[in-house]
Amino acid sequence: EAGVTQFPSHSVIEKGQTVTLRCDPISGHDNLYWYRRVMGKEIKFLLHFVKESKQDESGMPNNRFLAERTGGTYSTLKVQPAELEDSGVYFCASSQTSGGADTQYFGPGTRLTVL
Amino acid sequence: LAKTTQPISMDSYEGQEVNITCSHNNIATNDYITWYQQFPSQGPRFIIQGYKTKVTNEVASLFIPADRKSSTLSLPRVSLSDTAVYYCLALNTGFQKLVFGTGTRLLVSP
Repeated sequence: EAGVTQFPSHSVIEKGQTVTLRCDPISGHDNLYWYRRVMGKEIKFLLHFVKESKQDESGMPNNRFLAERTGGTYSTLKVQPAELEDSGVYFCASSQTSGGADTQYFGPGTRLTVL
Repeated sequence: LAKTTQPISMDSYEGQEVNITCSHNNIATNDYITWYQQFPSQGPRFIIQGYKTKVTNEVASLFIPADRKSSTLSLPRVSLSDTAVYYCLALNTGFQKLVFGTGTRLLVSP
């Protein structure tokens, strides 16, 4: 079974540009999460999709970040315009819905560098 | 959401048993104790999860006392490849989002 995949693995952009990160969850997983770790800080939750609906977006830092999950399959996270403080590693995770404490499976992350 | 506290770092030698203790004094009734492992340049990887008493799998054991205010991850006979950061988290069945702390950086030496 394929795991969670993320693309690209690394992106370097200039301040003010736009970047779109993609996450493909494990097939059949309704839940999809985005997290990020900025330099020197802890991994922080951004948002949670259940199928195509945003269940919890309390961690999104500001309106420069837009997450979508059309069709309930893969998800994209767009940062527009990117700022220096957006640099970090963006992780995606997915899980099935069991009604209990669902195990989240993480992708390898996308390293974003904003110059 | 419950806050967890764990050692910043630990050192061990190959072949030893490593126990990492985590405190979670304000754990809620519907919180599960969950441990993740993370290697450099990789995403966190699920190790083990439990609610109370003892849970064991092929990788580790998890001990949770009756009051659930702490837990201990036990790694038997560690090897160099167990060098990683280990995160203790309280996963709430209602919120489902993981709240990461700083984790415990385990260094295994020959």
